[in-house]
Amino acid sequence: IQLTQSPSSLSASVGDRVTITCRPSQAINNYLAWYQQKPGKAPKLLIFAASTLQSGVPSRFSGSGSETDFTLTISSLQPEDFATYYCQQLNSYPYTFGQGTKLDIK
Amino acid sequence: EVQLVESGGGLVQPGGSLRLSCTASGFTFSNYWMHWFRQAPGKGPVWVSRINTIGTITNYADSVEGRFTISRDNAQNTVYLLATSLRAEDTAVYYCARVFYYQRSAYPDYWGQGTPVTVSS
Repeated sequence: IQLTQSPSSLSASVGDRVTITCRPSQAINNYLAWYQQKPGKAPKLLIFAASTLQSGVPSRFSGSGSETDFTLTISSLQPEDFATYYCQQLNSYPYTFGQGTKLDIK
Repeated sequence: EVQLVESGGGLVQPGGSLRLSCTASGFTFSNYWMHWFRQAPGKGPVWVSRINTIGTITNYADSVEGRFTISRDNAQNTVYLLATSLRAEDTAVYYCARVFYYQRSAYPDYWGQGTPVTVSS
């Protein structure tokens, strides 16, 4: 299953609301996760099952969608949110990731 | 505190082998499936392999099937990835991850810091 993320890069300011989309090549129910990755670090799980916030993740992060259309929203960007974001489908093996969305400071 | 620490990466010639290790602490290791992922420079993560709690079920990505072997030692709280017949395209940072199951899917909630593997002559 291929995942297409958009945009591939995004410039935004602290306080902005941003939305990243992820579109699987086939329906995957709600078996989708979102990760944040900073340079030199491992991915960090933010959202699982499309919309469930992982423990310890700030509530400004939210996920929605199902089947072939998913979104990650950050309601009010904070300085520590500038990073690369990946979606991952967990409907069937091999689990696959999107190509990433790099979020940087405008 | 949950911790996963990988080791064993390095520079290896094409056709060579490496054994990667991932030692866990801060949780009951034998209760969790473990996965390996890798990430080539500038690319997204890629799932590589998984192993069940007692080491009797293993699965691999097509790209490594027949060349890589995952195993675990629950007494040592360690999962291994033996990588053989290495190719240039295996160059990546390798991560181990603990997964939890929710609605039949295995979500990686803790990752190690990664160990780099470079395949080059």
